[in-house]
Amino acid sequence: QKEVEQDPGPLSVPEGAIVSLNCTYSNSAFQYFMWYRQYSRKGPELLMYTYSSGNKEDGRFTAQVDKSSKYISLFIRDSQPSDSATYLCAMNSGGSNYKLTFGKGTLLTVNP
Amino acid sequence: DSGVTQTPKHLITATGQRVTLRCSPRSGDLSVYWYQQSLDQGLQFLIQYYNGEERAKGNILERFSAQQFPDLHSELNLSSLELGDSALYFCASSGAGTGYEQYFGPGTRLTVT
Repeated sequence: QKEVEQDPGPLSVPEGAIVSLNCTYSNSAFQYFMWYRQYSRKGPELLMYTYSSGNKEDGRFTAQVDKSSKYISLFIRDSQPSDSATYLCAMNSGGSNYKLTFGKGTLLTVNP
Repeated sequence: DSGVTQTPKHLITATGQRVTLRCSPRSGDLSVYWYQQSLDQGLQFLIQYYNGEERAKGNILERFSAQQFPDLHSELNLSSLELGDSALYFCASSGAGTGYEQYFGPGTRLTVT
């Protein structure tokens, strides 16, 4: 079983839709949960991170972490064509270990 | 723009050759990380350096090595290249105590023919 599982999609939605992206994980040591956005042929861009369980909101983006279910989500409200990209979840156990373990990414297309 | 720079953008080389990828971290960041991204494996952690010292190793092949110099730039050396080494190689950096907040460079696309 992979440490982090993420549905590769592709996911296609109309402009303005609410998008839900999800990851599950198996390593209970993970404490930090990140979402990255990667445009084609570019480097991953950190969107937001969350420590432990709970919600975090940043503009149109909301990250949720449920450690009891080992499940994390990213919601995008009022999606825009510029949100079309691959979204990667990443996790880290904290302490002195800064290795990020990534999901394989979900390809999102927002259609005008 | 993350502030992390990588050179070159593209590399095309033959099997058996050796290449060096270069990374400059964001100003003030002491940690540098190297990742490999391929279609089948996704983004995989290779190695981390902190202020010139190796801190953590991932699934890095013995044919690969890295170092971080006193000016904090880092180089990833790939030798005896095989077709399967073709991938995107990313460098990331982070500040002290914020290793979960990693900022990625634009990557180097390596093609081994």
